[in-house]
Amino acid sequence: NAGVTQTPKFQVLKTGQSMTLQCAQDMNHNSMYWYRQDPGMGLRLIYYSASEGTTDKGEVPNGYNVSRLNKREFSLRLESAAPSQTSVYFCASSGGGGGGYGYTFGSGTRLTVV
Amino acid sequence: AQSVTQLGSHVSVSEGALVLLRCNYSSSVPPYLFWYVQYPNQGLQLLLKYTTGATLVKGINGFEAEFKKSETSFHLTKPSAHMSDAAEYFCAVSAYDYKLSFGAGTTVTVRA
Repeated sequence: NAGVTQTPKFQVLKTGQSMTLQCAQDMNHNSMYWYRQDPGMGLRLIYYSASEGTTDKGEVPNGYNVSRLNKREFSLRLESAAPSQTSVYFCASSGGGGGGYGYTFGSGTRLTVV
Repeated sequence: AQSVTQLGSHVSVSEGALVLLRCNYSSSVPPYLFWYVQYPNQGLQLLLKYTTGATLVKGINGFEAEFKKSETSFHLTKPSAHMSDAAEYFCAVSAYDYKLSFGAGTTVTVRA
């Protein structure tokens, strides 16, 4: 089915290790996003890419970097993982700007940092 | 900047009873408003959205929401709860930018 694909689905890291979360969409959407979800806090925006070639910080960018590799792919990198980064990470994409389109979400990556 | 407050982190209803989830927003410009549902171990799925026009919006699975500008609210309702409605629900707001701001979520439990 068309949509947003995230890999991996589960990951356990040791403190200080690095990893990259992958995200790809096949809907020809311009905008892509990375959120983290923590209990009682909803979803918080880490980084977003309004269009290919651009990236911007969201609400909680510290400890993360992103790459908009092409129109389809938007990756999130943890350079030195910390226990505070234990969370569920969601990638999303949107068909247009202006805020009214809503997002299509991937199924998430559950990351545990020990 | 936009923000959302969802009133009540947990709601328990009986099967067949009314489901009412409350959402209030803050926005300096006319908002776009959304409700998403998340089933266990899944991503978020769009239930419905308000952009412009009719203030009563109908979504999937029998849900609807009404935009009330004077009350800065966008409450979600369903007349008769079903066991399959057990999930977490998120209200979200955006404006003329690319970013959605989410509420903290409301978990719905349906009692048989």
